[in-house]
Amino acid sequence: GEDVEQSLFLSVREGDSSVINCTYTDSSSTYLYWYKQEPGAGLQLLTYIFSNMDMKQDQRLTVLLNKKDKHLSLRIADTQTGDSAIYFCAERLPTGTASKLTFGTGTRLQVTL
Amino acid sequence: KAGVTQTPRYLIKTRGQQVTLSCSPISGHRSVSWYQQTPGQGLQFLFEYFSETQRNKGNFPGRFSGRQFSNSRSEMNVSTLELGDSALYLCASSSGRTQETQYFGPGTRLLVL
Repeated sequence: GEDVEQSLFLSVREGDSSVINCTYTDSSSTYLYWYKQEPGAGLQLLTYIFSNMDMKQDQRLTVLLNKKDKHLSLRIADTQTGDSAIYFCAERLPTGTASKLTFGTGTRLQVTL
Repeated sequence: KAGVTQTPRYLIKTRGQQVTLSCSPISGHRSVSWYQQTPGQGLQFLFEYFSETQRNKGNFPGRFSGRQFSNSRSEMNVSTLELGDSALYLCASSSGRTQETQYFGPGTRLLVL
């Protein structure tokens, strides 16, 4: 089945690292994504990882994928107040098209001073 | 390159009315997908259009329909509006190739009274 779960809320202090976790149930997922949504805005693609990779780093962002446990995480180094937002993980199944992402419930990241 | 644009940004309708939302994809992108975002159900896939044809469909009633024009612009229509249709409607575009990621617009916020 298609079920993607995330914890609802995470609070971190400015300058610390944030780790947002995601679990998914469909092992046939081909790509896994992280999107960021700020209040009143659409979804901003942050990064993505192909299912045959374990890790991907992009500046302050590190994505870890544990395919055996169906666990995905997003680490944000040196978290800033501008990182406060809702973060969604999403999986894409091998339907042969780029669409039909299944999204997680979203994690609200609060960055405090 | 200009991003995905959606019009209108905000809309207020009453129950029983119908509504049409518009999405212009990134130039050169041929795939347009629509998602509904509500606090209760999260982000749910509505449908995808590619080269003027519906290529994928989510689990929404027939009141929700869409179309795509030859310039890849897409419209989504909801007939006989219900209170539960109040949501943020997001459009995403991609090239349509299997490996391509989706880029989202800012959304249209629909309020049904």
